[in-house]
Amino acid sequence: NAGVTQTPKFQVLKTGQSMTLQCAQDMNHEYMSWYRQDPGMGLRLIHYSVGAGITDQGEVPNGYNVSRSTTEDFPLRLLSAAPSQTSVYFCASSYSTGTGGYGYTFGSGTRLTVV
Amino acid sequence: GDSVTQMEGPVTLSEEAFLTINCTYTATGYPSLFWYVQYPGEGLQLLLKATKADDKGSNKGFEATYRKETTSFHLEKGSVQVSDSAVYFCLAQGAQKLVFGQGTRLTINP
Repeated sequence: NAGVTQTPKFQVLKTGQSMTLQCAQDMNHEYMSWYRQDPGMGLRLIHYSVGAGITDQGEVPNGYNVSRSTTEDFPLRLLSAAPSQTSVYFCASSYSTGTGGYGYTFGSGTRLTVV
Repeated sequence: GDSVTQMEGPVTLSEEAFLTINCTYTATGYPSLFWYVQYPGEGLQLLLKATKADDKGSNKGFEATYRKETTSFHLEKGSVQVSDSAVYFCLAQGAQKLVFGQGTRLTINP
């Protein structure tokens, strides 16, 4: 089925470990973005990309790296995990509708716990 | 910067009650506006959207009207069901990225 695929769905890390959250879309969308969801704070933008080779920081970028070598993939890297990064992470892809709006598709999320 | 403010939850209603969840936004220009819903244990699903002033989005009995004069996009439903229990997010589309409200947890009791 077409959509946004996130892996893994669940992950437990020890403080200081590194890992990559994977995000792939097969809809040829231009834009992709990563959000984290914390209780009482809604979703906050971590990083986003407007096309292959182009990325930019969002609201809470510290501790995370991204790259966009292809249109399809937008991995999120945690270089040295900290307990403050315990959260649910959502990847989204989006496209311009051509009439001033955007369409968005979200992945099902990755629940990350850092101990 | 762009921001979205939602009515704070949690909100608890009885089945068949009328629902309103307030949402106001501040943004440059006229952003597209969305309501997303997150059911327990699931990801985000688009509920409805409006792309310009005075547009009304509707889906599954929910409605929201894009009010430019009050910069609002309040979510309404005339008669809620237990299955509507979820977290609801109001979003505004900024430049290539979304701005989220903090979410409102809705619980419907039978």
